[in-house]
Amino acid sequence: QVLLQESGPGLVKPSETLSLTCTVSGGFVMSYYWSWIRQPPGKGLEWIGNIYYSGSTIYSPSLKSRVSIFVDTAKNQFSLKLTSVTAADTAVYYCARERMGRGYYGLDVWGQGATVTVSS
Amino acid sequence: EIVLTQSPGTLSLSPGERGTLACRASQSVSSSYLVWYQQKPGQSPRLLIYGASNRAAGIPDRFSGSGSGTDFTLTISRLEPEDFAVYYCQQYGSSPTFGGGTKVEIK
Repeated sequence: QVLLQESGPGLVKPSETLSLTCTVSGGFVMSYYWSWIRQPPGKGLEWIGNIYYSGSTIYSPSLKSRVSIFVDTAKNQFSLKLTSVTAADTAVYYCARERMGRGYYGLDVWGQGATVTVSS
Repeated sequence: EIVLTQSPGTLSLSPGERGTLACRASQSVSSSYLVWYQQKPGQSPRLLIYGASNRAAGIPDRFSGSGSGTDFTLTISRLEPEDFAVYYCQQYGSSPTFGGGTKVEIK
């Protein structure tokens, strides 16, 4: 059974960089896409971006200028960096496995979520 | 960017009733790239349907998806107590987006 666990600071100051890591256990990052999704308090889901194990990435156009996603196959982890954060970036951040083939098979394994608050 | 509009915002139903949730896209979406999720309070979302109509592993057959083009539907044939939750549709086009969600609450 594949499990995902987010880790990182729960509090980030405005204008600084948010950094989160997702550790994959019970499986390997090889051969899958890995994604980040966020959910502001009381609001809906927002797709941030994904990375293939080879390192190729796709980012949301609205966040593209501030987002970077990396994968470390040796550590079986992938990471998110979001620069120049503001209060609007306060959210629960989820990592998830994203399955694609001839079509899109969805985000089928999710982490429990990491709450990140942007505040001075 | 494709905008997904879900309706109604809130659906009030009793256990045993049928629930019909709509997801309308601002432009055509391939059925192969439309999925549905369920999210309960304090939990991560759970994949229900992929490819517009295929149930994910372990999903009961009371959940079904249909639709094409710009109009998609999630149907819950007979609501069980554990089905009261928020449901999101998502499309994976050139820029993946989620709908705003439909909350299914107990009447």
